Amino acid sequence: EADIYQTPRYLVIGTGKKITLECSQTMGHDKMYWYQQDPGMELHLIHYSYGVNSTEKGDLSSESTVSRIRTEHFPLTLESARPSHTSQYLCASSDYLNTGELFFGEGSRLTVL
Amino acid sequence: KQEVTQIPAALSVPEGENLVLNCSFTDSAIYNLQWFRQDPGKGLTSLLLIQSSQREQTSGRLNASLDKSSGRSTLYIAASQPGDSATYLCAIYRGSTLGRLYFGRGTQLTVWP
Repeated sequence: EADIYQTPRYLVIGTGKKITLECSQTMGHDKMYWYQQDPGMELHLIHYSYGVNSTEKGDLSSESTVSRIRTEHFPLTLESARPSHTSQYLCASSDYLNTGELFFGEGSRLTVL
Repeated sequence: KQEVTQIPAALSVPEGENLVLNCSFTDSAIYNLQWFRQDPGKGLTSLLLIQSSQREQTSGRLNASLDKSSGRSTLYIAASQPGDSATYLCAIYRGSTLGRLYFGRGTQLTVWP
């Protein structure tokens, strides 16, 4: 059973607000990821991290930022939300030192009005 | 860049049928291949992980095979049930510390009673 948690699960906010999507895992994985997925569409990697104090941008350009101060925590922040940021955001972590298996959280569905 | 293709894009079958979902990839230098299930509005649930040295993995009614030389993987679902209705995605992991997973677009499966 995967132990990776995302909050909030659903968020509706107005344009211009700052939001932080939380992601935590209790598996001790070094590698963590954020994916963005629109309904019925493919996943796009927007950020990833190899470990503490390491973050990289993914394949899809994103106005969000991430931080990795603790191994278990990988929050994503939007400084000023816009309607174009409406999407589902999926956090994942991987056991890449062993099998490389990827585990996902339940996702955070963001709607910006 | 790794290309991952899933065929068919959608499949609708009556309950009880045995199914085969296909995944093809362009680069045979993979570390592992993972099959996921995604229910609407939810995160991804890991179904099966096949390491590059393995040919297949089984879990209950699911069997996944891997043929690296031909760049193909299949997910076999035996005796399908309405609860199997979901989108099924395959992902390729290239295995380096800089590596990331490459996802297909998925096969949307509907099993009707």
